[in-house]
Amino acid sequence: GAVVSQHPSWVICKSGTSVKIECRSLDFQATTMFWYRQFPKQSLMLMATSNEGSKATYEQGVEKDKFLINHASLTLSTLTVTSAHPEDSSFYICSASREVDTQYFGPGTRLTVL
Amino acid sequence: QKEVEQNSGPLSVPEGAIASLNCTYSDRGSQSFFWYRQYSGKSPELIMFIYSNGDKEDGRFTAQLNKASQYVSLLIRDSQPSDSATYLCAVLREGAQKLVFGQGTRLTINP
Repeated sequence: GAVVSQHPSWVICKSGTSVKIECRSLDFQATTMFWYRQFPKQSLMLMATSNEGSKATYEQGVEKDKFLINHASLTLSTLTVTSAHPEDSSFYICSASREVDTQYFGPGTRLTVL
Repeated sequence: QKEVEQNSGPLSVPEGAIASLNCTYSDRGSQSFFWYRQYSGKSPELIMFIYSNGDKEDGRFTAQLNKASQYVSLLIRDSQPSDSATYLCAVLREGAQKLVFGQGTRLTINP
């Protein structure tokens, strides 16, 4: 159990376009979902924490108007990168929490902005 | 001082030997501790979690926690080349939702 999926697994887009990434918990209801970004050879950087039905809590330095998070149900959260630019190219990973503290990660989405 | 610190490595261990990965944390209020494995280009995969002082064993993996020393470690017995990956230590403070990750230790198992 505790399977988390992400879609798409990779995406290439033009600068200025918006990209939506979906994160789903497949076999459990996730009270909380998290969005991370990881640049090459660096550790995970938490972008935001999302609880179902409420506004996401963004980490310092993360633009909430650029990275829109929607957590409409206990099994789905979406991250929309608006007006993407090349510096937004990264590996975006979501995680979902079933119990109070344990996080299970999705497979990640590799975003390349041309 | 970083909240969670790991030696970035690389750590090289011969196949069949014990690999020892270490992690220290600064917040004494930390309650839950996790080890994740991340292969290159992939997302992290949960290996073990530990809450109480002492050892916790799961197959070839043993997590060790010493809250007095603010130290958590992961031992991998009978190391295999497939264990070659980056190992991330993560800590959860009491009452918090978010994990704090170390920078990860890159482990290489040499055949």
